[in-house]
Amino acid sequence: GAVVSQHPSWVICKSGTSVKIECRSLDFQATTMFWYRQFPKQSLMLMATSNEGSKATYEQGVEKDKFLINHASLTLSTLTVTSAHPEDSSFYICSARPSKGANVLTFGAGSRLTVL
Amino acid sequence: AQSVTQLDSQVPVFEEAPVELRCNYSSSVSVYLFWYVQYPNQGLQLLLKYLSGSTLVKGINGFEAEFNKSQTSFHLRKPSVHISDTAEYFCAVSPRNSGNTPLVFGKGTRLSVIA
Repeated sequence: GAVVSQHPSWVICKSGTSVKIECRSLDFQATTMFWYRQFPKQSLMLMATSNEGSKATYEQGVEKDKFLINHASLTLSTLTVTSAHPEDSSFYICSARPSKGANVLTFGAGSRLTVL
Repeated sequence: AQSVTQLDSQVPVFEEAPVELRCNYSSSVSVYLFWYVQYPNQGLQLLLKYLSGSTLVKGINGFEAEFNKSQTSFHLRKPSVHISDTAEYFCAVSPRNSGNTPLVFGKGTRLSVIA
């Protein structure tokens, strides 16, 4: 079945640094990937929709300059948290929709970011 | 726009007992429905989905759900739970033929199975 790999699974960084999270579709092509953020014991909040070869579409309230998304190929989307602060600490999850087939999302295992 | 309501934030249940996790949705268009499970510090795993056809959908790990259009519900059930079913369960909805429209999730229900 469809597999989405997310890396790194855990990352700790100092305040002010930037962190890049990768999301790869391993056995299918994904023209669309979604980035979600999850706070402890809460549901997933959509941050942005990443489209291959074009600019990402950000949800209201999400700073596009802070959360840079790049979807340069059909199998890779990256989320870069720039100048991270402690309030950016969260669980980030990506998901991908196969370019063909049923409307089902496959999720990555998530990346836990802790900003000190 | 779509919305999903999971009425129970927490559901404790004894091992081998049956369980039902409730999900209601709101949408002005036809939808696809999903249940996902999330184990601690992990991503989401698809349990089952309703796309079309039979309204009773069987998924992995012995779970099933029934789509009820008139009640706009998609409740998740399992006749006998195991300790390993302890996790967070999310109901989600997507408009049919949605193209790039992402899933809309409910707030989740934490299932705690007690030995």
